[in-house]
Amino acid sequence: DTAVSQTPKYLVTQMGNDKSIKCEQNLGHDTMYWYKQDSKKFLKIMFSYNNKELIINETVPNRFSPKSPDKAHLNLHINSLELGDSAVYFCASSQRTREQYFGPGTRLTVT
Amino acid sequence: DQQVKQNSPSLSVQEGRISILNCDYTNSMFDYFLWYKKYPAEGPTFLISISSIKDKNEDGRFTVFLNKSAKHLSLHIVPSQPGDSAVYFCAAPREGQGNLIFGKGTKLSVKP
Repeated sequence: DTAVSQTPKYLVTQMGNDKSIKCEQNLGHDTMYWYKQDSKKFLKIMFSYNNKELIINETVPNRFSPKSPDKAHLNLHINSLELGDSAVYFCASSQRTREQYFGPGTRLTVT
Repeated sequence: DQQVKQNSPSLSVQEGRISILNCDYTNSMFDYFLWYKKYPAEGPTFLISISSIKDKNEDGRFTVFLNKSAKHLSLHIVPSQPGDSAVYFCAAPREGQGNLIFGKGTKLSVKP
């Protein structure tokens, strides 16, 4: 049983398009996160949601918006995609502990 | 400002030997540290952690050592196995928040 899942695993799209990445966790965790791994392999936080409330919003462009329909889901919407948005995006979740559990990642390629 | 640093991008060891992965940090307020392991095309997997009130935590073949005065921690894997070949990330929770600050990772290759 997959704990944290993401769809799609690969996403290739053109500049200017709008796309979404979905994330679901079946661990009953109360906090979910989105991380970005750039071309230099750094993993950096983008957003986190706790009980459907945004509690972290790093300095990411407002073209990126997290949407949480319920505690088990945190989707990432990206508007007007740019070449620099190409990266691997990881969803993660945690429950009042420091350990976070990560999804398999979504490789986004903007052409 | 890179608060968690892994200065060795890669490490190669022989099967059966010890692997030592190093991590340095700059923020003395960090109170917890984690190691994650990542295979290609997969998400990071939690491996082991240590609280700042301890100097050692052991779990099977994996041991993490913390030297607070030096702001340094290390992950020891003994004996190393080919299946341990992966990228290892050191991380610490940002103070007052839940998100993790990651090092750049060290790619470990264990040769048979």
